[in-house]
Amino acid sequence: AQSVAQPEDQVNVAEGNPLTVKCTYSVSGNPYLFWYVQYPNRGLQFLLKYITGDNLVKGSYGFEAEFNKSQTSFHLKKPSALVSDSALYFCAVKEGSQGNLIFGKGTKLSVKP
Amino acid sequence: DVKVTQSSRYLVKRTGEKVFLECVQDMDHENMFWYRQDPGLGLRLIYFSYDVKMKEKGDIPEGYSVSREKKERFSLILESASTNQTSMYLCASLRGEYGYTFGSGTRLTVV
Repeated sequence: AQSVAQPEDQVNVAEGNPLTVKCTYSVSGNPYLFWYVQYPNRGLQFLLKYITGDNLVKGSYGFEAEFNKSQTSFHLKKPSALVSDSALYFCAVKEGSQGNLIFGKGTKLSVKP
Repeated sequence: DVKVTQSSRYLVKRTGEKVFLECVQDMDHENMFWYRQDPGLGLRLIYFSYDVKMKEKGDIPEGYSVSREKKERFSLILESASTNQTSMYLCASLRGEYGYTFGSGTRLTVV
């Protein structure tokens, strides 16, 4: 069965420092991997995806994620955090282009000035 | 750009009421989904639909039903609202390899 784990409920970072939000996954076939961001009282917004190709994918707002097949991970990164990056981040996976997304429980990112 | 519109941002209903949550997408997508989101539990799939008049149960369908009479509209129905259905409800439409597009959510409070 497919699954996604976000091991940290919360990540605290100082503004200007690099940030990493962790995600590991489990699928039997080739994964389609996604990161979404949610601001308070809003729906989820697409950040980036990995389907195939280069292991480092770039997305919106300066975020990027690294796909690591051997470690079954897809960690979200940003070189320099902004206070406005504070939000809830969800990792998601599915097998192939159709089918349902499986979401992690979310990681709250808090960036302090 | 794909838009998924949920009719209400905030809703307050009484216990026992029948509640309709509406979701409309404008890109002719076949697959639509309803999730509820609760702190510490993440997103849980309630129902989904792959086509008009088709519906499939997700992980937590109890107490809910859905209707998909037209491709663009996917409605979630709480037959008799209860306080444990107080939650944030999110509708989504599938964009193939692009994942989902979500609506803004409906925060439902049942009193």
